[in-house]
Amino acid sequence: KQEVTQIPAALSVPEGENLVLNCSFTDSAIYNLQWFRQDPGKGLTSLLLIQSSQREQTSGRLNASLDKSSGRSTLYIAASQPGDSATYLCAVRSGGSYIPTFGRGTSLIVHP
Amino acid sequence: EAQVTQNPRYLITVTGKKLTVTCSQNMNHEYMSWYRQDPGLGLRQIYYSMNVEVTDKGDVPEGYKVSRKEKRNFPLILESPSPNQTSLYFCASSSSGDLNTDTQYFGPGTRLTVL
Repeated sequence: KQEVTQIPAALSVPEGENLVLNCSFTDSAIYNLQWFRQDPGKGLTSLLLIQSSQREQTSGRLNASLDKSSGRSTLYIAASQPGDSATYLCAVRSGGSYIPTFGRGTSLIVHP
Repeated sequence: EAQVTQNPRYLITVTGKKLTVTCSQNMNHEYMSWYRQDPGLGLRQIYYSMNVEVTDKGDVPEGYKVSRKEKRNFPLILESPSPNQTSLYFCASSSSGDLNTDTQYFGPGTRLTVL
């Protein structure tokens, strides 16, 4: 059964830092990996989706990479801002299943 | 505006009193699903639907029912709620369920408390 782990569970950084969030998965036979942002008490907003055949995706200050062989994905946030403060979740679809497996998230605080 | 809506957003009820949480999407998506989110357990899928009249169990379906009579609506039904169903519930939809390319869009969440 697929397991998804996100490290660190929480992160606090000063504004302006570049930072990396990690997502690892146990079964490398994935269809895609999706990164989400969740603000407190709110729903999830999709940030980036990487298909299994892709190595990375970029959107603005965000860059997500995927290394299936090592079972890892990273979300890189450049020049972090206080507005980036949120919980970041990764979700993996694998094994022909329509049921994605979510990590428990990384709670990010960017302080001015 | 493309969106997934849920109602109610907050609900406090008592054990055993049947309730329905509605979910509606305006993007003509075929695939819809329900999740619950609990501290320390993350997001877990309850049920999903590939199209009208097609539903299937997710990871934690016990105590829940769903129906998909129309493409845009996917209500979640708790016939006899219990306190262990206190949670934050999310509805999500995506265009086709294509495992390679599908991006899920989430509703704002329903916070349910069962006393």
